[in-house]
Amino acid sequence: DTAVSQTPKYLVTQMGNDKSIKCEQNLGHDTMYWYKQDSKKFLKIMFSYNNKELIINETVPNRFSPKSPDKAHLNLHINSLELGDSAVYFCASCISQNTGELFFGEGSRLTVL
Amino acid sequence: GENVEQHPSTLSVQEGDSAVIKCTYSDSASNYFPWYKQELGKGPQLIIDIRSNVGEKKDQRIAVTLNKTAKHFSLHITETQPEDSAVYFCAASFNDYKLSFGAGTTVTVRA
Repeated sequence: DTAVSQTPKYLVTQMGNDKSIKCEQNLGHDTMYWYKQDSKKFLKIMFSYNNKELIINETVPNRFSPKSPDKAHLNLHINSLELGDSAVYFCASCISQNTGELFFGEGSRLTVL
Repeated sequence: GENVEQHPSTLSVQEGDSAVIKCTYSDSASNYFPWYKQELGKGPQLIIDIRSNVGEKKDQRIAVTLNKTAKHFSLHITETQPEDSAVYFCAASFNDYKLSFGAGTTVTVRA
C-alpha cells in the first residue's frame, strides 16, 4: 500500500549509458515531481507534471526526459549518463499543483562510474 | 527566483533539550512555508507548515514561527527524543507552487 513508489531503489551504471527510473503514486493526486538530491543533501526540483502536462521544467540538461503516460505515473529517462548525474532522485506527488503537502517516494540512488 | 538559507547545517542536542533551526527567504511574495523531515534512507516527510497569515503554529512538540517583515521562519522542537534525529528541510513558495528548499540541517539527539 505504498503511496509513492519508485524503482529501482539502487542503480549503478557506467558513464555514457542510458537508464530509466519509474515512479507510480496510488494517492489519486494530479501533480507529480522529480527532485534531485546531491551528496550535500541539497534538494532541487527538476520537473513537475500536472495531469500528464509538463508545468515545471527547471534548468536541466536535455539528456533528462520525463514522461507521464497517465497522472499516476511519472518516469525519468536519462541519456548519456555523466559522473555528475550521481545523486538520489526523488519522485513526489501532491493533490494538485497549488495545494501544499508533497508526498515523496523513498528515492532512487544512481551511481555513475 | 526564491532563495532559502537555512542554519545551522548540523545541530547536536542532548535528549530532552530543545532544538531550533532558522531559515530566511528572499522573495517577499512567498506565503507558504513547510518543514520536512528526512530520516536515513527515506524520502522527506512534511512535519508542519505555516502560511503567511499566521505568526506561529504548534503541533505537540514542534512549533514554527514566521516573521514576514524580517523574512525569516524557525522550527522549534522541544523535549527532543532520539527519534527526532534526522535531516530537516525548510522550504518556501508562493501559493504552494514550486517549493524552494533550504540546504538542510542534520539534527543528532544524544542519549
